[in-house]
Amino acid sequence: EAQVTQNPRYLITVTGKKLTVTCSQNMNHEYMSWYRQDPGLGLRQIYYSMNVEVTDKGDVPEGYKVSRKEKRNFPLILESPSPNQTSLYFCASSLSSGDRAGVYGYTFGSGTRLTVV
Amino acid sequence: SQKIEQNSEALNIQEGKTATLTCNYTNYSPAYLQWYRQDPGRGPVFLLLIRENEKEKRKERLKVTFDTTLKQSLFHITASQPADSATYLCAQYNNNDMRFGAGTRLTVKP
Repeated sequence: EAQVTQNPRYLITVTGKKLTVTCSQNMNHEYMSWYRQDPGLGLRQIYYSMNVEVTDKGDVPEGYKVSRKEKRNFPLILESPSPNQTSLYFCASSLSSGDRAGVYGYTFGSGTRLTVV
Repeated sequence: SQKIEQNSEALNIQEGKTATLTCNYTNYSPAYLQWYRQDPGRGPVFLLLIRENEKEKRKERLKVTFDTTLKQSLFHITASQPADSATYLCAQYNNNDMRFGAGTRLTVKP
């Protein structure tokens, strides 16, 4: 089944303890992205990647890191989590990037609900 | 900067009626406008898209229109059913930038 898999689904952690949220897609998609979703603010892009070894900042990148060493994986790293990073996180992928990217819909993962205390 | 707004936070309608959701954008017309469905605690699911040079697109009970003069897209669900209850997000794409609206929560009552 074609899908984007995120782990874990739920995570409670303490301030300052480094964590990684994994994201993997099995569709050979070029484009991958991380979003956070907060009530009233909608989906806001954290980082995106147009291909292997190519990553770029979205609208809210502060406090986050990403890497794209392989096409299928795009982990999100919080080096020193803080309570304002408590949110629902989604990884998404799309077949293409660049001018044609809008032709394809995004496939989203099931989400990771992160609580930082 | 470009903004995308979904005017209604919530919409309640009776089963069998047509639901109409609105998406407005500022500044330039997006090359593509997409609509997604999101159920509570789940990731958004892509429904359909419309290009800036298209006026209307249909898929089963769904219809999307795109009016570049009004800077607006309308999303219609005809013969609505309780199973259509969800949050619907619009998203605009232009030059590697995909922006999502905050969503409209639709409730279809039996």
